[in-house]
Amino acid sequence: NAGVTQTPKFQVLKTGQSMTLQCAQDMNHNSMYWYRQDPGMGLRLIYYSASEGTTDKGEVPNGYNVSRLNKREFSLRLESAAPSQTSVYFCASSGGGTIGNEQFFGPGTRLTVL
Amino acid sequence: AQSVTQLGSHVSVSEGALVLLRCNYSSSVPPYLFWYVQYPNQGLQLLLKYTSAATLVKGINGFEAEFKKSETSFHLTKPSAHMSDAAEYFCAVRDGGGYQKVTFGIGTKLQVIP
Repeated sequence: NAGVTQTPKFQVLKTGQSMTLQCAQDMNHNSMYWYRQDPGMGLRLIYYSASEGTTDKGEVPNGYNVSRLNKREFSLRLESAAPSQTSVYFCASSGGGTIGNEQFFGPGTRLTVL
Repeated sequence: AQSVTQLGSHVSVSEGALVLLRCNYSSSVPPYLFWYVQYPNQGLQLLLKYTSAATLVKGINGFEAEFKKSETSFHLTKPSAHMSDAAEYFCAVRDGGGYQKVTFGIGTKLQVIP
């Protein structure tokens, strides 16, 4: 049981390049999330998927797109990377429902945009 | 709208001393509350959560938190700090509705001095 996995762990891009961050979970969770973490700003939600087949914008969606490929996988795409997107990106999942299910986090992707 | 305030972005304690990390929240409905811990270069992991059962919640590694509705607080404590507690701690709130969007605080870095 691997939990939440993310690839790659590290990435360096040049301004204008594109890339896709991959995320997968093996806990049969309905909901999945993408966050970015920047110093002094905590975690900010980029996009989320409440269930398979649905995606919605979070707090900071500009410059990103997502795909909920199936129940297990939720990818984040940067179409034209900018230095402001230098950050640590975390994927998370949760079981859904009305009880206080916690989120489970992946190990993160450290992205630098030059 | 829900929000979380963590007082003190950096807290230093001596090894063996009491750890107190402060969290205040706002929520329009009864909330679910969480504390997560992040060790260097890792993702977040759940320490404990409040889901409207007991107001004093015990978590892993000797941590506990008390939900105080009148003070809208959910402070994290540990009687005796250990060197291994050095990490960043995040308080998070989720409205008790059907969808699992969570709002995180900006985090508190705990330093433990030998």
